[in-house]
Amino acid sequence: NAGVTQTPKFRVLKTGQSMTLLCAQDMNHEYMYWYRQDPGMGLRLIHYSVGEGTTAKGEVPDGYNVSRLKKQNFLLGLESAAPSQTSVYFCASSSGISYGYTFGSGTRLTVV
Amino acid sequence: AQTVTQSQPEMSVQEAETVTLSCTYDTSESNYYLFWYKQPPSRQMILVIRQEAYKQQNATENRFSVNFQKAAKSFSLKISDSQLGDTAMYFCAFEQGAQKLVFGQGTRLTINP
Repeated sequence: NAGVTQTPKFRVLKTGQSMTLLCAQDMNHEYMYWYRQDPGMGLRLIHYSVGEGTTAKGEVPDGYNVSRLKKQNFLLGLESAAPSQTSVYFCASSSGISYGYTFGSGTRLTVV
Repeated sequence: AQTVTQSQPEMSVQEAETVTLSCTYDTSESNYYLFWYKQPPSRQMILVIRQEAYKQQNATENRFSVNFQKAAKSFSLKISDSQLGDTAMYFCAFEQGAQKLVFGQGTRLTINP
């Protein structure tokens, strides 16, 4: 029972490069989320999905794109990385908000 | 806008002491859910406790309990008999609607031996 798996765990990018973060869950959850964590700012919602094939913007969506082609996967893309996107990224999933979220272990991304 | 505020950026107590972490939130909704998450140095986010707003009884999970004051929009976490393993960042989270959570800024808690 893996729960929520994020890959990669660490990555260093140069400004302007692109990359995709993968989130996979094996709990058959409908809802999936991408957050970023920055010191003193808690976790801020980037994008989320309420079901397969759906996506929606969160609080800080600029510079990111997402896709949920399969129910178990939620991809976060950075088309042209900027130093301001240096952060720790968390994926989470949920079967309903009353249960809270199950989180992945996070991805530390550094953009130089 | 719905917000969550944790007014204590850092706290430090001795092992076995009781510590209370504060959280206030703002909403116009009458029914919602509140959560406390723990993030140890491993970075993993762990659900500590949850509270349903329409329930008057404060939630309790072993050494962790909450003081939920709905009218004051306050949701504090009390850790009794604190242990070294309780050292972590603690985040308060509030249901923002549409199955989303909004998180506070976090409180860094250190338990000293």
